[in-house]
Amino acid sequence: DIVMTQSPDSLAVSLGERATINCKSSQNVLYSSNHKNYLAWYQQKPGQPPKLLIYWASTRESGVPVRFSGSGSGTDFTLTISSLQAEDVAVYYCQQYYTTPYTFGQGTKLEVK
Amino acid sequence: QVQLEESGPGLVKPSETLSLTCTVSGVSISSTYWSWIRQPPGKGLEWIGYVFHSGSTNYNPSLKSRVTISVDTSKNQFSLKVTSVTAADTAVYYCARSTYSYGDPNWLDFWGQGTLVTVSS
Repeated sequence: DIVMTQSPDSLAVSLGERATINCKSSQNVLYSSNHKNYLAWYQQKPGQPPKLLIYWASTRESGVPVRFSGSGSGTDFTLTISSLQAEDVAVYYCQQYYTTPYTFGQGTKLEVK
Repeated sequence: QVQLEESGPGLVKPSETLSLTCTVSGVSISSTYWSWIRQPPGKGLEWIGYVFHSGSTNYNPSLKSRVTISVDTSKNQFSLKVTSVTAADTAVYYCARSTYSYGDPNWLDFWGQGTLVTVSS
């Protein structure tokens, strides 16, 4: 199985400041034939299902605010929130869909400092 | 508007079978792949498996011997069965839609609200 490791486990950022969450996969998730990174990011608020934010490592889902961006390739990826808003407090997960079993990172809890 | 809703018993006895159904509205179930994911209380997400409208499936090896996912296109529903459950199967169970491109399922773009299943006598 591909192991997804996120860092840090928790993060406290002041409102309006940048938040950065990292995700590392134990194997490459870049498919050479189409040059796509098979990596998604989700946001989960308490009592709610995960919400898709980013797919193909850097494509923002429709309706997701532009302050959310994804980057990286191969095995190292980053989710960046450019200016933290109060409603961004949540747990964030990365997920690889390169191969089954699809696997998620352990989650990063983002709080306001 | 795509909507998914899980239904089924919230309490299952140890060694028995957990059965859940996901009802899909707003889109034909024949359009793509459909997945089950679970989340133990206070923990992370685990992909259980997916089904295509044709009935083809793919399961997580960690559960493969105990899991069956099936689809009923006439009802626009898909279902999950987990046999021989233990306390470790206590979790919120989510159903979700997988988009697909390049021939394979990809990210999960629509999720149900989830249903808590507790395994206890």
